[in-house]
Amino acid sequence: DTGVSQNPRHKITKRGQNVTFRCDPISEHNRLYWYRQTLGQGPEFLTYFQNEAQLEKSRLLSDRFSAERPKGSFSTLEIQRTEQGDSAMYLCASSPPLLAGGPHEQYFGPGTRLTVT
Amino acid sequence: SQQGEEDPQALSIQEGENATMNCSYKTSINNLQWYRQNSGRGLVHLILIRSNEREKHSGRLRVTLDTSKKSSSLLITASRAADTASYFCATGQNFVFGPGTRLSVLP
Repeated sequence: DTGVSQNPRHKITKRGQNVTFRCDPISEHNRLYWYRQTLGQGPEFLTYFQNEAQLEKSRLLSDRFSAERPKGSFSTLEIQRTEQGDSAMYLCASSPPLLAGGPHEQYFGPGTRLTVT
Repeated sequence: SQQGEEDPQALSIQEGENATMNCSYKTSINNLQWYRQNSGRGLVHLILIRSNEREKHSGRLRVTLDTSKKSSSLLITASRAADTASYFCATGQNFVFGPGTRLSVLP
């Protein structure tokens, strides 16, 4: 399967623990996005990478959240000292290089559902 | 930031009927995209319409764009139970999604 993959698909953790999620984008997609989605809401943008550079970070992303994309391929999202309010679906998306003046679509992974107890 | 907001928030129709949902946004755009999300899954891209286009078709989907009103509509014709999902519009590079329209197609 050449789509965006995310691991794990589900994670249950106790409050205060650290968790890390992984996203493998479609190969040759240089842009990668992380979103958070709670029940009944649309996805909220968290952060964006172009290759290995983190170009944008939402104000929603507290200091407990960190994302990396060390070699411009897969990405990890870490949440430290998890809180119950972090319970959500974490979505990753990737898109190909942006052509001059051209639009782009994002290809989403299935998401990682985090439950903090 | 650019934001899409869908309307209505929920829509329930019978199989075979048409479903129309709307999206409004605030700033000028280069393009607008519609996505579908089945329960508990990731989003799937449906259709993209550029700012210089007024209407676009893809199978049973028809999207219109009115840049003067900063609005778009998604029409699903001859709906099926499998169309039951949430539908989102998105604009901007870092997509800002509204709460979506939850469509239920009853058999």
